[in-house]
Amino acid sequence: EVQLVESGGGLVQPGRSLKLSCLASGFTFSNYGMNWIRQAPGKGLEWVASISSSSSYIYYADTVKGRFTISRDNAKNTLYLQMTSLRSEDTALYYCARHQGYDYWGQGVMVTVSS
Amino acid sequence: DVVLTQTPPTLSATIGQSVSISCRSSQSLLHSNGNTYLNWLLQRPGQPPQLLIYLVSRLESGVPNRFSGSGSGTDFTLKISGVEAEDLGVYYCVQSTHAPTFGGGTKLELK
Repeated sequence: EVQLVESGGGLVQPGRSLKLSCLASGFTFSNYGMNWIRQAPGKGLEWVASISSSSSYIYYADTVKGRFTISRDNAKNTLYLQMTSLRSEDTALYYCARHQGYDYWGQGVMVTVSS
Repeated sequence: DVVLTQTPPTLSATIGQSVSISCRSSQSLLHSNGNTYLNWLLQRPGQPPQLLIYLVSRLESGVPNRFSGSGSGTDFTLKISGVEAEDLGVYYCVQSTHAPTFGGGTKLELK
């Protein structure tokens, strides 16, 4: 069974940093591109970043470019999102999702940016 | 950025009714490799989204065949042939031909 489990969220002050993780199981992680997608409270879905299976290709939304870094460790079956210079508008539920097709999603991890 | 416009924003339906949701793109979603990367997702209350349809019209495994997708280029449609109670939630189209973007969502509720 495919599972994606996010962790690392929490309450953080504006300007600070936070690192999210997504532990994958039930499939060959190293064969799939992965994504981070977020959803602000009561709002729609927003793509954040994508990374190819071997980390050769990485893309970011303009809203996070230069502040967030997506990475992966295929030996640990884990996807990461390093978030720096956090702003209040980054407050959201952050999901990891598999592949260009978004066929599997985690349950999400909440990030709240507030003083 | 590619903008996906979903209509209607809210849809009220009775059980058994057939409904359609439109997703219009500001640019063609036909990729140079011949694929059109337009998917449909359903997000039930309190749950992460789940994939229903990929590549415009291909039904994801385990998804009931009352769901169908169609379209090409810039105009796409999701149809539910006979709404059931478990279909309630917010539907999103998403494209990944270009830098990924999501539609604004269509909330399906019971009339």
